[in-house]
This record gives sequence, C-alpha cells and structure tokens, in this order.
Amino acid sequence: GAGVSQSPSNKVTEKGKDVELRCDPISGHTALYWYRQSLGQGLEFLIYFQGNSAPDKSGLPSDRFSAERTGGSVSTLTIQRTQQEDSAVYLCASGPAGTGAIGEQYFGPGTRLTVT
Amino acid sequence: GNSVTQMEGPVTLSEEAFLTINCTYTATGYPSLFWYVQYPGEGLQLLLKATKADDKGSNKGFEATYRKETTSFHLEKGSVQVSDSAVYFCALIVSYNQGGKLIFGQGTELSVKP
Repeated sequence: GAGVSQSPSNKVTEKGKDVELRCDPISGHTALYWYRQSLGQGLEFLIYFQGNSAPDKSGLPSDRFSAERTGGSVSTLTIQRTQQEDSAVYLCASGPAGTGAIGEQYFGPGTRLTVT
Repeated sequence: GNSVTQMEGPVTLSEEAFLTINCTYTATGYPSLFWYVQYPGEGLQLLLKATKADDKGSNKGFEATYRKETTSFHLEKGSVQVSDSAVYFCALIVSYNQGGKLIFGQGTELSVKP
C-alpha cells in the first residue's frame, strides 16, 4: 500500500519568508508526527497528533513553528519568518493505534528545506 | 531527562564481518527501545524493538537485547553484507501515554565493503 508522502521534496526559500510543508499519512493511522533532521542537532521531535486529542507541541523550537492536521489525515507544518537555522530535513511519520504498535512509526521521505 | 547515546561513526567493515553498534540510554521512566535504519536515499524504517528488560528484538539477521542493568541496547549482526550499509539510529519511548514520541540517538553510519 501507499506509504507516507511529503511535499515538496525540496524547498529553497529566502530568509524571512513563510513556508508550508505537507504530509499525507498512511490511511487509517491515527498518530502523526513531525521531526526534523539536521547535521548539528540530529533527529528532533517537533509535534505529535493522536486522534482527536490536543497535539503534543512540546518539541516546537519557537512560536514561528505551527502545525495542523485536518480531518484526522493530512497535516501541514508551517514555519513563519524562516531563519537560516531552520534549514533541515523535515520528516513526517504516521503510526497505528494500540500499545502493541508502540514505537512503530512509518516515515516519509522528508522535505529538505534550505533557507538562504 | 531522557536521552540516547550511540557510538560515533562512520563504521567501516568488510563483508561477512561481525557488527556491534553500541547504544546506551538514560530514561526517567521504563522505556521501550528501538533501532531504526535509514538506507541511502530512503526514509527511516523500523528495524527491531524491545519493550521490556531482557527482551531480544531481531530482524534481518540483526539482534539487540534490552539490558536494564547496563541501560544498553547494542545492535549486533553476525555477518554483514554490502546491502547493510546505512545509518542506524537507536531510539526510545518512555511511555506511550506521554505521546509516543521517539527520542533518537545521533545515528551511526555503517559502510560495508565487498
């Protein structure tokens, strides 16, 4: 079946511009996660959605970052007034419900963001 | 806080060599432990997991045993292949109720030469 898809695959933007990154999770997965991967910081958790519960935003690095998940499916990560330190690969993952599936997260290919 | 520490890479081995990638963790709760792998040009994928002490996770010839006494989850494979060349990430989740967010180590790059 179809895996997690992300768009765009690459995004180059000027400092100060806003960007939107999209994630289409695996159909039926109730959990959706955003991480970012950068040389200096490794893999960092950003935000987590689980069903209709309030999202866990504890990993968002600043108030310039926000995310939403519409209809329990597609998610958009928005970065406002981008800075050069935002340059990274942004990864989306989805996962099935249930404690038997704990930690089973299916990752998309990522969006490589470059802020110039 | 919760954290994962892996041995630094890159690790370069010859085909059929024995592999060990060390991973230790610090956790305030009782974590579940994972190894994820990122093959060149591909997304992260779950390799194996263990959810309680002394459990052994295994997949594709790789194994890791959850050692609570040494807070470790070392990855091993008896005979590596060129196709095992990838970046390997050790990770933990402290509690599913805390959101299921994975805390990753910094990754270890493995290069296997024919």
